[in-house]
Amino acid sequence: DQQVKQNSPSLSVQEGRISILNCDYTNSMFDYFLWYKKYPAEGPTFLISISSIKDKNEDGRFTVFLNKSAKHLSLHIVPSQPGDSAVYFCAARVNYGGSQGNLIFGKGTKLSVKP
Amino acid sequence: DARVTQTPRHKVTEMGQEVTMRCQPILGHNTVFWYRQTMMQGLELLAYFRNRAPLDDSGMPKDRFSAEMPDATLATLKIQPSEPRDSAVYFCASGLLRASGYTFGSGTRLTVV
Repeated sequence: DQQVKQNSPSLSVQEGRISILNCDYTNSMFDYFLWYKKYPAEGPTFLISISSIKDKNEDGRFTVFLNKSAKHLSLHIVPSQPGDSAVYFCAARVNYGGSQGNLIFGKGTKLSVKP
Repeated sequence: DARVTQTPRHKVTEMGQEVTMRCQPILGHNTVFWYRQTMMQGLELLAYFRNRAPLDDSGMPKDRFSAEMPDATLATLKIQPSEPRDSAVYFCASGLLRASGYTFGSGTRLTVV
């Protein structure tokens, strides 16, 4: 039973336009939500995070929005660049019990930004 | 630039052989994870250490997998005996609990034939 879901396996966007990657979660016991970016043959790289008590966090071209009532978060990339082409993983950090600090990942969305 | 170092990068082995993967976490990081990435399951947690003590290894098949941290600079993941279904990329990550993100290594790509 997946606690973190990324329902779109892939997304294609034109360079300069906005990329919106979505993520849904089912458990309320998470204290942070994170986005990781992964290139082939490399490990995931931390991109941006948001605390569960916030609804928006912005870092340059990247903005993450959190809708707690809908248990939904999204990553916006504006403007999209070809170098943003990668697999993006949504993750939720557990804040209870013996697993505190563990990250639960979605299955990823492959973003392709076309020149 | 601090990095998590994993060795080997690639490993091909025959079914039934023992496989050991190593990870050097970033100095000062007290939390270490082992994740496995497969096409079907995505990134799944295998084991999790804090201050070298195992906290959660519920995601690990106990009959064949073992994870240890013999000291603060080394984490190991061992599979004995290995099976073809263990073929995957294994990632180590380290961090501090107060930070929101963890640093991943480049992974070990394991192929069991």
